[in-house]
Amino acid sequence: GDSVTQMEGPVTLSEEAFLTINCTYTATGYPSLFWYVQYPGEGLQLLLKATKADDKGSNKGFEATYRKETTSFHLEKGSVQVSDSAVYFCALREETGNQFYFGTGTSLTVIP
Amino acid sequence: NAGVTQTPKFQVLKTGQSMTLQCAQDMNHEYMSWYRQDPGMGLRLIHYSVGAGITDQGEVPNGYNVSRSTTEDFPLRLLSAAPSQTSVYFCASSPRIYNSPLHFGNGTRLTVT
Repeated sequence: GDSVTQMEGPVTLSEEAFLTINCTYTATGYPSLFWYVQYPGEGLQLLLKATKADDKGSNKGFEATYRKETTSFHLEKGSVQVSDSAVYFCALREETGNQFYFGTGTSLTVIP
Repeated sequence: NAGVTQTPKFQVLKTGQSMTLQCAQDMNHEYMSWYRQDPGMGLRLIHYSVGAGITDQGEVPNGYNVSRSTTEDFPLRLLSAAPSQTSVYFCASSPRIYNSPLHFGNGTRLTVT
């Protein structure tokens, strides 16, 4: 079945460092791919999405590119801030549209 | 824009008690779902619905019931609470379009003693 594998955390970075959180997936067909962010005590918020191969999703300085050939959707940001400290989830929606699959989440802490 | 509204935000139950977690959305989404989030376990799907009158089980359905009598509401019932059901519960909804994301509520933190 479909699945999402996400880089284990926790990740600790200094402010202005470069961030990469790896995400790979297994799916039949052409799923849609998402990154969500969860701040402490809150629900998950959509950060960005990509719905077809080679699409790049971007938001708030974060980017991820849908790579069909490597079945990956890695999250990147060039310069992290303390306010980016949160848990990040990679997710896919299968092509038929009825099911979502989530990675286990990666906790990011950014220190000043 | 209310989005997905969950009530209550916090709840403490004793073992064996029953309760209903409420979830309502005002976006006319066909798809609704319930997840539980436990430390180190990520999100696990409990039940989902693709429209009024239709529900199905997810990964961890035991001990929970759902119904979907309207498009807007998708309550989750705990029949006889157990300490293993201590968790944070999230309701989420989406249009039934393959490239649409899930919209999440802010969660209900449940403790069963």
